[in-house]
Order: sequence, then C-alpha cells, then structure tokens
Amino acid sequence: DAGITQSPRYKITETGRQVTLMCHQTWSHSYMFWYRQDLGHGLRLIYYSAAADITDKGEVPDGYVVSRSKTENFPLTLESATRSQTSVYFCASSAGTRNTDTQYFGPGTRLTVL
Amino acid sequence: KQEVTQIPAALSVPEGENLVLNCSFTDSAIYNLQWFRQDPGKGLTSLLLIQSSQREQTSGRLNASLDKSSGRSTLYIAASQPGDSATYLCAVGSGSARQLTFGSGTQLTVLP
Repeated sequence: DAGITQSPRYKITETGRQVTLMCHQTWSHSYMFWYRQDLGHGLRLIYYSAAADITDKGEVPDGYVVSRSKTENFPLTLESATRSQTSVYFCASSAGTRNTDTQYFGPGTRLTVL
Repeated sequence: KQEVTQIPAALSVPEGENLVLNCSFTDSAIYNLQWFRQDPGKGLTSLLLIQSSQREQTSGRLNASLDKSSGRSTLYIAASQPGDSATYLCAVGSGSARQLTFGSGTQLTVLP
C-alpha cells in the first residue's frame, strides 16, 4: 500500500530554472492538494484539484502551474523559480465525500532555490 | 478570510500529565476540522477528523472536541508519553474541496 508519494524528496535549483515536483497517490482519491510550509506562515494552499482536468487556485498560486491529466498524478511546476519559493512542499489527497474527507499527506519535498 | 490560531505555541510537560491543546478559527462556516501530528523534518500524520455536525472524536488517548458556534476546538491528550513529542497542527476544512486552512501549530515536548 504505497499511499501518497512525492518526488524528488530534496531538490536544489537556481533562480529562473523550471522545476516540477511530482505527486502520486494509489487510492484513486478524487481530490488532490498542494501546500507549502514556511516558518512564520505555516502551511498554505497553493492549488487543488477536484478530479482529472479540474484544478483551482488556493491562497498562494502565483508562480506555480499544475495539471492533472490522470487521477493519480498531480504535478506542481515552478515555471521560473525564485528564492521566495524555497520551501517544503506537501501534496495531499482525499476521497472528498462526507465522512471520508480526511486529507492524507505525502512526505514532502524540500526545495531550495539559490 | 479564515484564520486559525493555536495556543500555546509551545508546551513542555512531564511524562504522565494530561494536557489540552487549543485551536480557534474565525469563520464558523466549516465542513470539518482535522488535527495532525508532525515530527521534525517529516510529513503530516492525521490524528482525528471531526465533521462540522459532530462534537467530538476519540482515538486511543486522544480526544478532540469541536464547538463550531464559538469557533473553538481542543485536543486532549491523556497520560502523555515522550513519544508524543511533536508539533500538533489544527486545520479547518472549507470550500468545495474541503481545502484546509492551518494554524501555526503547538510544539509539544513531553519530558521523561
């Protein structure tokens, strides 16, 4: 039971480069989410998706792009990385129906932008 | 905009004590409230989820309560153990996807 996985776990990149963070879940959950965690700001929602090909912005979407062509995958792309995007990124999923909308989180990707 | 506050920010207790962590939120229009545990450098582990229509949930030594009208939740940990040391995060679910708004967490240290 793999659950929800993220790759890479650690990434160092340079300002201006494109970076894609991967998220994969094996539960066929409808909903998937991307959060970033920063000291002083806690966890904040970047984007979420209700199903394949349905995505929507969260609290801090600027500088990020998402796609969801398959239910199990929800990649997050930083089109031109900036130092302010240095953070720990968490992917999460949930079944999204009443009584089963617990969100389950991946292990996180620690991204450093130099 | 929903705001979630957790008090205290840090707490240190001797082993065996019962303790309460507090969470408050500004907008009572929520679908659920979820408590998580986060160990240093790790991901989030879901502890309890309370639907908006429920008043409490229990799992082992943990009991979470919800008073939606007053915008408050508490996480009660009975007979604390050193292994309970971690950061505890409260998050409220709202919106069409029950997307979560998080508090900043309470860092708990249980001393042996």
